[in-house]
Amino acid sequence: AQSVTQLGSHVSVSEGALVLLRCNYSSSVPPYLFWYVQYPNQGLQLLLKYTSAATLVKGINGFEAEFKKSETSFHLTKPSAHMSDAAEYFCAVTPGSARQLTFGSGTQLTVLP
Amino acid sequence: DAGVIQSPRHEVTEMGQEVTLRCKPISGHDYLFWYRQTMMRGLELLIYFNNNVPIDDSGMPEDRFSAKMPNASFSTLKIQPSEPRDSAVYFCASGPGRGWTEAFFGQGTRLTVV
Repeated sequence: AQSVTQLGSHVSVSEGALVLLRCNYSSSVPPYLFWYVQYPNQGLQLLLKYTSAATLVKGINGFEAEFKKSETSFHLTKPSAHMSDAAEYFCAVTPGSARQLTFGSGTQLTVLP
Repeated sequence: DAGVIQSPRHEVTEMGQEVTLRCKPISGHDYLFWYRQTMMRGLELLIYFNNNVPIDDSGMPEDRFSAKMPNASFSTLKIQPSEPRDSAVYFCASGPGRGWTEAFFGQGTRLTVV
């Protein structure tokens, strides 16, 4: 079984500041990990994914995440927040061969001018 | 590719009425998923299909919920009778076959049962 914990249901940052959204996972097998973004009234869009290759994964819109097995973490970062980054972000995990994603509860990112 | 297409985008219905949500997956994808999103419970997987066959429906909350996939390009999620607590955003997602890792989501159907 696998699970995902996202620390902080709401995160606020100033425009231009570092974005850090936290995700910890639990998995009985080496996991595949994802970050999705959901803009208001939209579906989920894949930001980036970790599939056992490079531990530092770069995604769209300047986001990246680092897989740290020792910490069972997959935190999402962006060096400089933009107003357009305001959205809800979901971390998700799946076992290597399964066909189901387990999602975290989401983190709402607010970017302050 | 147009992506996963869901209809309608918004649905308002009265308690007790039948509601049917529709989904067209990405062409060539073998897997189709129905999710429900609420403030209280977040994103929940309701059911998924592989090659039009339901594989896991353990997330379907009650017998009032049913899902079908009559062919590779169409799926429905039906609620009969609907109740106010069914109000949520329902997402359909699809995925390619063997070796895939992520799901591709539609824009969702916002259901309000009054």
